[in-house]
Amino acid sequence: DTEVTQTPKHLVMGMTNKKSLKCEQHMGHRAMYWYKQKAKKPPELMFVYSYEKLSINESVPSRFSPECPNSSLLNLHLHALQPEDSALYLCASSQEEGGQPQHFGDGTRLSIL
Amino acid sequence: EDQVTQSPEALRLQEGESSSLNCSYTVSGLRGLFWYRQDPGKGPEFLFTLYSAGEEKEKERLKATLTKKESFLHITAPKPEDSATYLCAVQDTTDSWGKLQFGAGTQVVVTP
Repeated sequence: DTEVTQTPKHLVMGMTNKKSLKCEQHMGHRAMYWYKQKAKKPPELMFVYSYEKLSINESVPSRFSPECPNSSLLNLHLHALQPEDSALYLCASSQEEGGQPQHFGDGTRLSIL
Repeated sequence: EDQVTQSPEALRLQEGESSSLNCSYTVSGLRGLFWYRQDPGKGPEFLFTLYSAGEEKEKERLKATLTKKESFLHITAPKPEDSATYLCAVQDTTDSWGKLQFGAGTQVVVTP
């Protein structure tokens, strides 16, 4: 069982839809991350939150909007996505920003029609 | 620029047939090297952290070693449940916050 929980596990949406991905951790970690992973590729960092504040944005398009409501929760709001955005979206957390190891959730498999 | 290269891309083993995976890296300074295991449709699962050349870590049938330029993940007498993609990642000391640089992974299939 992973200690980082992501919902939903699967999501299919049209290009005009708005949806949100959710991530929760109860390990007391102060850093949380969003990664995007395409098939047979390594995870690519999207965003880093440290102490509930956005610390790093890896030049991600504005159709992806992260939010950290509190120290345990991380959301990724999606709007007007493109078919190439179909991927596995992974959430991770660590004690501090850049701290190791990062604990990953099992991801949300996103398909854009 | 940091680079992490894993080889081979894919490895097919018979149960009990030991083998090694390679992770070669180029960094300005190594803060840490990390091995993860990823099963299909799952997130990466942390296995090991190595910090300095000569260091070794073991867990069940897996043993990770580190030199100044590469790391090896040795799989001894593998079982089918060891089938997974193994990811290597590094942190560079010159990176301001400790971003993980991942290799492309080695997909391991162990057949009975």
